[in-house]
Amino acid sequence: KNEVEQSPQNLTAQEGEFITINCSYSVGISALHWLQQHPGGGIVSLFMLSSGKKKHGRLIATINIQEKHSSLHITASHPRDSAVYICAVPSSGNTPLVFGKGTRLSVIA
Amino acid sequence: EAQVTQNPRYLITVTGKKLTVTCSQNMNHEYMSWYRQDPGLGLRQIYYSMNVEVTDKGDVPEGYKVSRKEKRNFPLILESPSPNQTSLYFCASSLAGTANYGYTFGSGTRLTVV
Repeated sequence: KNEVEQSPQNLTAQEGEFITINCSYSVGISALHWLQQHPGGGIVSLFMLSSGKKKHGRLIATINIQEKHSSLHITASHPRDSAVYICAVPSSGNTPLVFGKGTRLSVIA
Repeated sequence: EAQVTQNPRYLITVTGKKLTVTCSQNMNHEYMSWYRQDPGLGLRQIYYSMNVEVTDKGDVPEGYKVSRKEKRNFPLILESPSPNQTSLYFCASSLAGTANYGYTFGSGTRLTVV
C-alpha cells in the first residue's frame, strides 16, 4: 500500500509570499491528485497530474515520477488561499486513492 | 450542476440509535466512496463501491454498513453509533475510481455521537 507523506504539516505565510507544499509517496503511480479544503468547507479537486507540470491561476503543481515526489506551489499568496491542501495517490497501481494527512496553510494579510 | 449531495450536514445523535447518512451523485459515476476525517489522521476510507451491487471495505469499516442498489445513491449506515464514530464524513464519486479520473466530493456531514 502506498504511503503518502506531506510536508510541512502546518505553514504560516505573509500575503504575497511564494509557497511550496511537498508530497512524497512510496509506490509508483499512474496519477497524483491535489485537493483543497477550506475551513468548515468541502473538498475540491485542484489538480490531477501524471507527469510534468500543470498551472491554474496562481497555483502550480509539479510531479517527478522517478523521485516519487510532487510539489504544489502558490505564487503571490493571498489570505483566501488559507486552507488545508491534501495530496492523494492510488493505494497501489491504478486503484482508488489514499490521502496524505494534509498541510494546513494560513496566509496572513 | 454536477454534484455529490450529502445529507444531513450536521447530526447529533445518541449512542446506539441507528442512523443513515445519504449520498447521491448526478454524474452517472461508477465509483462511490465514504471517508471519515479526523484531526491528525487525514481522510480514511470506510467503504467504497466500484459499481452497483459491488461494495468493498476500506481501511476503517468497523461499525459501518453501506449499500449500492442504484448507481446514484450510496448511503452510509451506522447501526449502533458509538462516540468514537464522532467525525467529519465525506462521500465522493468518480467515473471509474482509478487515479486517472477526478473525484467529486460532497460537502461533508459532521456527526457527533453522545
